[in-house]
Amino acid sequence: NAGVTQTPKFRILKIGQSMTLQCAQDMNHNYMYWYRQDPGMGLKLIYYSVGAGITDKGEVPNGYNVSRSTTEDFPLRLELAAPSQTSVYFCASIRDSNTGELFFGEGSRLTVL
Amino acid sequence: EDQVTQSPEALRLQEGESSSLNCSYTVSGLRGLFWYRQDPGKGPEFLFTLYSAGEEKEKERLKATLTKKESFLHITAPKPEDSATYLCAVQLRSNDYKLSFGAGTTVTVRA
Repeated sequence: NAGVTQTPKFRILKIGQSMTLQCAQDMNHNYMYWYRQDPGMGLKLIYYSVGAGITDKGEVPNGYNVSRSTTEDFPLRLELAAPSQTSVYFCASIRDSNTGELFFGEGSRLTVL
Repeated sequence: EDQVTQSPEALRLQEGESSSLNCSYTVSGLRGLFWYRQDPGKGPEFLFTLYSAGEEKEKERLKATLTKKESFLHITAPKPEDSATYLCAVQLRSNDYKLSFGAGTTVTVRA
């Protein structure tokens, strides 16, 4: 059972480039999330989804887009990358929103130069 | 504004030296408070859920407690393998599928 799988683990982008961070879960979870983690700042919610076809903005959505065409996949798209998007990105999913037991991927470290 | 604050930012302990981490929150309508452990280069891993003041949860050398304004994570007789960053998060009644995280406390336990 793989859990939550994120790719790539590391990526360097030039300012203005675009890319997609992939996230897949094999636990049949309905709820999925994208967080970013900056040093000393904790995890900030970018986007979330409560099911296939349903997405919504979190605290820091600017510069990002998501889609949720299947239960398993929740890709995060960065358009026109900026240095402020240098961060570690975590995808997470949850079986039951009542428990707060998020399952996280191992993270994707993105550097924008 | 809803806020989750963790203290201290960093904690250095000698093996066997017990201590506590604090998570204070200024949110209205708390549904649940959660503790996670994060190892370097990894995603956070779930530890505990607390729902009501007075509740306690234990796992090995860790015990989490909750009051109306804060939560404590007590580490009893820590070992080097307890070294990690500990994150707390809160879930509000109004949007119960989103968690708001604190910045974390980084614990280093020396042998």
